[in-house]
Amino acid sequence: SQKIEQNSEALNIQEGKTATLTCNYTNYSPAYLQWYRQDPGRGPVFLLLIRENEKEKRKERLKVTFDTTLKQSLFHITASQPADSATYLCALGPGGYNKLIFGAGTRLAVHP
Amino acid sequence: NAGVTQTPKFQVLKTGQSMTLQCAQDMNHNSMYWYRQDPGMGLRLIYYSASEGTTDKGEVPNGYNVSRLNKREFSLRLESAAPSQTSVYFCASSAQGTGGSYEQYFGPGTRLTVT
Repeated sequence: SQKIEQNSEALNIQEGKTATLTCNYTNYSPAYLQWYRQDPGRGPVFLLLIRENEKEKRKERLKVTFDTTLKQSLFHITASQPADSATYLCALGPGGYNKLIFGAGTRLAVHP
Repeated sequence: NAGVTQTPKFQVLKTGQSMTLQCAQDMNHNSMYWYRQDPGMGLRLIYYSASEGTTDKGEVPNGYNVSRLNKREFSLRLESAAPSQTSVYFCASSAQGTGGSYEQYFGPGTRLTVT
């Protein structure tokens, strides 16, 4: 069955460093992959989308890579700030009516 | 522009009681979704509606029913609540495009406890 894995352990980093979060998947060939941010007690918020034919996407301090051979996406936040502390979810899309399969998320804590 | 709104924010039910979770969006989106989120698990799709007048089951539909009342509103009903339905419920919407890669917009969630 389709499986998405995100590191269940929290990632703790110092302010100013680059945070790298991993999303691995198996038994799946997604047409695209999305990353969302979720703050405690709130709904997820869309950050970035990358398609299967794209290697890398950037938006301000965010960068996403997508390696369909390794079946992996990496999500980078450069020059991290305490305000970046949140849970980050990856979601894979099969196309069609935008049905997404979500990973459980990785919690990021950026310390001053 | 409120985006996606959900009511209620919190609810406590006794086993066997019924309730309806309400969701509305003001972004003129065709597609709407209901998810549940449990600790340590990803968002799981309960039901979705690709357009007004259509609904389809997602990954975990048992114990739930939905109604796409109009383009704006998509409700989720628990006919006979069970403790296993204790969860946080999110409604989402998206524009419908070819290839379906549009981002989803989520509501603030409903925290439901069934005792």
